[in-house]
This record gives sequence, C-alpha cells and structure tokens, in this order.
Amino acid sequence: DSGVTQTPKHLITATGQRVTLRCSPRSGDLSVYWYQQSLDQGLQFLIQYYNGEERAKGNILERFSAQQFPDLHSELNLSSLELGDSALYFCASTAGLVDTGELFFGEGSRLTVL
Amino acid sequence: AQSVAQPEDQVNVAEGNPLTVKCTYSVSGNPYLFWYVQYPNRGLQFLLKYITGDNLVKGSYGFEAEFNKSQTSFHLKKPSALVSDSALYFCAVRLSNSGYALNFGKGTSLLVTP
Repeated sequence: DSGVTQTPKHLITATGQRVTLRCSPRSGDLSVYWYQQSLDQGLQFLIQYYNGEERAKGNILERFSAQQFPDLHSELNLSSLELGDSALYFCASTAGLVDTGELFFGEGSRLTVL
Repeated sequence: AQSVAQPEDQVNVAEGNPLTVKCTYSVSGNPYLFWYVQYPNRGLQFLLKYITGDNLVKGSYGFEAEFNKSQTSFHLKKPSALVSDSALYFCAVRLSNSGYALNFGKGTSLLVTP
C-alpha cells in the first residue's frame, strides 16, 4: 500500500460528459502528479501541483484541468469526454522538498467512455 | 527533451535464469533515471534509481541496474528470475524543470516461466 488513495476505482460514462477524479496523497506529501496510461500512448505525464500551486505541465489537454486543495487532496477534471479519453488515470505523490526521487503511485482510476 | 526508450515490448525468461530489461536514454545534462514495476491492476512501484555515484545501482526485490554513460543505457537486471517477477517494467527519466515529474518509457512486459 503506497498510501495514495484514488477514487473512484472505476468509472463508466458517455461521450460529451464530464467527470472528476480524486486523489489523496500520502500523509505529509505536498506534491501531486497526474498521469494517464493508455495502450497506445503509454504513461503520459499530465500535470503536477505543489502545495496548492501548479508546478509543471505535461501533455494535458485543454479539456482537462486539475487543482489541489488546502488539505492537499487533488482533483482531475475531464470534460467533453471522447472515446480516446478511456484510460487509467494515476495519481502520484512525493514530499516535494526532499528529493528522494521516488514517486508513490495510487492504484488508479479506470475511466471508460462509451 | 528528456526521454527513454525500451526497445522490447516483451521479455521471456525461464525461472532461475538471469534477466535483463533494456532501457536507453536521451537527455541533456546529467540523467536522473528510474525503474518502476507495475503488477496487474496495481499502481507503479519504485524499484531503483540512479542519480549520481556508482554505476551499478541495487534496488528492491533483488533487482539492480547498470548505468552506462557511453552507451546511454540503464538496463535492469536480476541474477535469478522468479515467476513472481512477471510484470510490466517501466524505465523513466526525470523531466527538466518539472518538479521531479518523470517521463516513462512504453514499458516492457516480463514473463518468467516455471
């Protein structure tokens, strides 16, 4: 158990809809990262937040957005969903200030868009 | 851009034999390299990292990796494979100016047969 909690574990929705994925980082971790894993694209870095502020951006679509709240949990919002957005979405966390190099991953949220 | 390549989609090895999972990197500056493992329906787990120092890095579950600057490689190795090592293995490199986010390779599926 990494200590990172993601909900929901599974989500099925229709094209054009909007969903929110939630991540609770390990206790004390200030940084949260979102990744998308799909068969064709592999693992893609989407976005990182550190202590409530956006820190780095990867291949995140404009239809997607994220935020980190004062209690350090994070949410990834996916809107105008398309079939191609079906994927496993991972959240990872690190302490942020201390560079251990290791990201701690949650078990993911599997999104299916029909 | 910081990137890694895993040239093999799948590696098959018999239990008890040594295993190697290949990774090459392309980075500007000093590379920060990592190996992660993903078991079915689970998040990624950290195995080991190279940041600086000895070229042979030891990690979890008996795995090690050899950093080779002249060949720009960071191959994952284990002297004696176990059936329980069967999983998906990802090589990763730290992205520049990204607050410790990682760029992952496509992954290599390792199958260890009894």
